[in-house]
Amino acid sequence: GAVVSQHPSRVICKSGTSVKIECRSLDFQATTMFWYRQFPKKSLMLMATSNEGSKATYEQGVEKDKFLINHASLTLSTLTVTSAHPEDSSFYICSASWRGETQYFGPGTRLLVL
Amino acid sequence: AQSVTQLDSHVSVSEGTPVLLRCNYSSSYSPSLFWYVQHPNKGLQLLLKYTSAATLVKGINGFEAEFKKSETSFHLTKPSAHMSDAAEYFCAASGRALTFGSGTRLQVQP
Repeated sequence: GAVVSQHPSRVICKSGTSVKIECRSLDFQATTMFWYRQFPKKSLMLMATSNEGSKATYEQGVEKDKFLINHASLTLSTLTVTSAHPEDSSFYICSASWRGETQYFGPGTRLLVL
Repeated sequence: AQSVTQLDSHVSVSEGTPVLLRCNYSSSYSPSLFWYVQHPNKGLQLLLKYTSAATLVKGINGFEAEFKKSETSFHLTKPSAHMSDAAEYFCAASGRALTFGSGTRLQVQP
């Protein structure tokens, strides 16, 4: 149980384009989903927290207009990187939890912006 | 403010020998504590969690961790390392969101 999927697992895009990453909880309903960014050989940096049906809460220093987060249902959250630039290249990981319980993580999405 | 410190960035052990990965936390309350493992280019897998029940927590793959409030520690151990244990390990504390330590890379030598 408690499986979280992410799609795509890897994406390469051109600078200036937008990329959407999906995060799904497959066998439970996620009241809260989290989006993290991980740089090489580094720990996870929380970008934003989203609760189903409400606006995401962004961490300090994260551009909300650049990283659009939507949590439209209890099983799906999306992260859209708008007008991507090479410095946005990273490993993006989502997690999901039910009512503040344990977070379960997706397998991650590797984004490369050329 | 809450913080998690993983005392070793890199640990190397021989296969079949014990594993000790150290984690200390700082919090104004008793948080829930977690250990996650990450294999290369993969997401995080939950190994075990402490939520104020038993102080010795058993997890998957033979790992366990002991919560010591007096030492504000939550060290991860395994009696006998296996090659497949080689990975990055993260200690985390609950709060508004998870606070992660910087990670410990475990290397297992044959």
